Amino acid sequence: AQRVTQPEKLLSVFKGAPVELKCNYSYSGSPELFWYVQYSRQRLQLLLRHISRESIKGFTADLNKGETSFHLKKPFAQEEDSAMYYCAPPMEYGNKLVFGAGTILRVKS
Amino acid sequence: DAMVIQNPRYQVTQFGKPVTLSCSQTLNHNVMYWYQQKSSQAPKLLFHYYDKDFNNEADTPDNFQSRRPNTSFCFLDIRSPGLGDAAMYLCATSRDLLQVRDNEQFFGPGTRLTVL
Repeated sequence: AQRVTQPEKLLSVFKGAPVELKCNYSYSGSPELFWYVQYSRQRLQLLLRHISRESIKGFTADLNKGETSFHLKKPFAQEEDSAMYYCAPPMEYGNKLVFGAGTILRVKS
Repeated sequence: DAMVIQNPRYQVTQFGKPVTLSCSQTLNHNVMYWYQQKSSQAPKLLFHYYDKDFNNEADTPDNFQSRRPNTSFCFLDIRSPGLGDAAMYLCATSRDLLQVRDNEQFFGPGTRLTVL
């Protein structure tokens, strides 16, 4: 079964510092990976997906098949980045998601 | 422009008293999902509908049922809530199920269920 690990429950950084939210997955096929974010008092929403190779709000995530990782990175954290971040690979096929435990990002001024 | 709406936002029920949570969508998406999210845990998929086809996750308790009378609405029925069922229940939709490309899930705000 597909598994995902987010080793950090809480990541606290200062504004302007680089951020890396870790995600490791286990998957036998070619993975399609997502990062979802939940800001305070807002609904869970898609941040980015690796297949699009896009940068959203300054965040990028590179799929490293050798390390089975999909870490989320941003070079300069902003206070508005404070939120809960979930790494979510799909289940064995299709669009059903398995969410990691989540990492709370706190950006301090 | 709420796209996935959940009612009520807060629901209190008594131990063993059946409760129904509601979800509606304006996106005309084929797939609707129900997740359970307990405190400090990740959302966990309970089941989903692809159109009218119901798919239960293997570890979803029998106490949880769902109905989808039409494309727009989906209900979560908890037949006999226990204290362990207290959680946030999230509804989500996606356009399709098998095509991961360009398919994101759109979440509702959730219903927080309290069991007394």
